[in-house]
Amino acid sequence: GENVEQHPSTLSVQEGDSAVIKCTYSDSASNYFPWYKQELGKGPQLIIDIRSNVGEKKDQRIAVTLNKTAKHFSLHITETQPEDSAVYFCAARNNFNKFYFGSGTKLNVKP
Amino acid sequence: DVKVTQSSRYLVKRTGEKVFLECVQDMDHENMFWYRQDPGLGLRLIYFSYDVKMKEKGDIPEGYSVSREKKERFSLILESASTNQTSMYLCASSLGQAGDEQYFGPGTRLTVT
Repeated sequence: GENVEQHPSTLSVQEGDSAVIKCTYSDSASNYFPWYKQELGKGPQLIIDIRSNVGEKKDQRIAVTLNKTAKHFSLHITETQPEDSAVYFCAARNNFNKFYFGSGTKLNVKP
Repeated sequence: DVKVTQSSRYLVKRTGEKVFLECVQDMDHENMFWYRQDPGLGLRLIYFSYDVKMKEKGDIPEGYSVSREKKERFSLILESASTNQTSMYLCASSLGQAGDEQYFGPGTRLTVT
């Protein structure tokens, strides 16, 4: 089955700096790659996603890049703010509509 | 807005008890999912359902069963709870055959003593 690895497990940045979280996947048939943000006491919420036929997608301060050849995708957050502090998960969906999640990255943005 | 609700936020059960976790979504989504979330392991799929009365095993179905009698409701059942089932349980739903965005409920933190 699919295996998604996520790094780093924790990330601490100063407010205003950029944050990058990286994920790799193993199944070349995976076709959809969402990123979720989970705040304390809440369920994960989709923040951005990318399909396998696109290399990059941007939404304000958040961007995702996908390298299909290398089977890795990354989340980029620019001009980080304290409210960006949360746990972030990457995921990959395979041909059978099953989602596989990374182990999560705890982002701490210091004011 | 899509809303996914879970019957309990916190639950404490004893070893051997039968446990029901309920999930309801209000957006007529075809797909529903149950995950468990453990530190360092991310979210792992237990079961999912793409239609009423249909179910598919995820990666860790052992010790669990599910029921989907109505489109909006997806139940997770622990037939005989064990301490290694202490975890956060998350329900999600998505639209369509290849539904993209999953909408998650707030989670149920289950402790089995």
